[in-house]
Amino acid sequence: GAGVSQSPRYKVAKRGQDVALRCDPISGHVSLFWYQQALGQGPEFLTYFQNEAQLDKSGLPSDRFFAERPEGSVSTLKIQRTQQEDSAVYLCASSRSGALGNTIYFGEGSWLTVV
Amino acid sequence: QQQVKQSPQSLIVQKGGIPIINCAYENTAFDYFPWYQQFPGKGPALLIAIRPDVSEKKEGRFTISFNKSAKQFSLHIMDSQPGDSATYFCAASISGANNLFFGTGTRLTVIP
Repeated sequence: GAGVSQSPRYKVAKRGQDVALRCDPISGHVSLFWYQQALGQGPEFLTYFQNEAQLDKSGLPSDRFFAERPEGSVSTLKIQRTQQEDSAVYLCASSRSGALGNTIYFGEGSWLTVV
Repeated sequence: QQQVKQSPQSLIVQKGGIPIINCAYENTAFDYFPWYQQFPGKGPALLIAIRPDVSEKKEGRFTISFNKSAKQFSLHIMDSQPGDSATYFCAASISGANNLFFGTGTRLTVIP
């Protein structure tokens, strides 16, 4: 596709439910990032992949958060036993290479509401 | 702790005005400073970026001014238009690092 595609766009989960958010990066992009954006705030880094390798997961807020990119393309962010504080927009981004000087392209985000 | 501090939180200007958004940082290791524009329901989109070896960068109506000694940088939008109404985020990172540190955003409204 032309841009970073994320699904679902909107997800309402009951507290305690597991959710999985999918990201299709721009074809050929080596680097993939996940960010969390709370309402009225800037995005906050969660994790980074270079191809299939998860090189940085320092931003994941707890062990309930897990991300994978098994074939170096599509990525899934999984949140187990969701809590109300997990309600946010989850943004996926990709770039052609690992250097941050290259443009990072963001998807439109997956809006998660935990009730 | 907020790595990049952004102000103001919101800004209203008349069409043709020059809104200015300011950001400040503490970490002197930061060497890449992008600005992102975000429309409601969309992801952030890169607008313009600067490295600390220059004090100003201009692309179209958008200009970044950078003051390395003060650890501050700002975005100026010349001849602002209603279509510029959006939330603007400054960010900073270290070359070779994997994450961008974003400011808290400025919601800009340009009145026709």
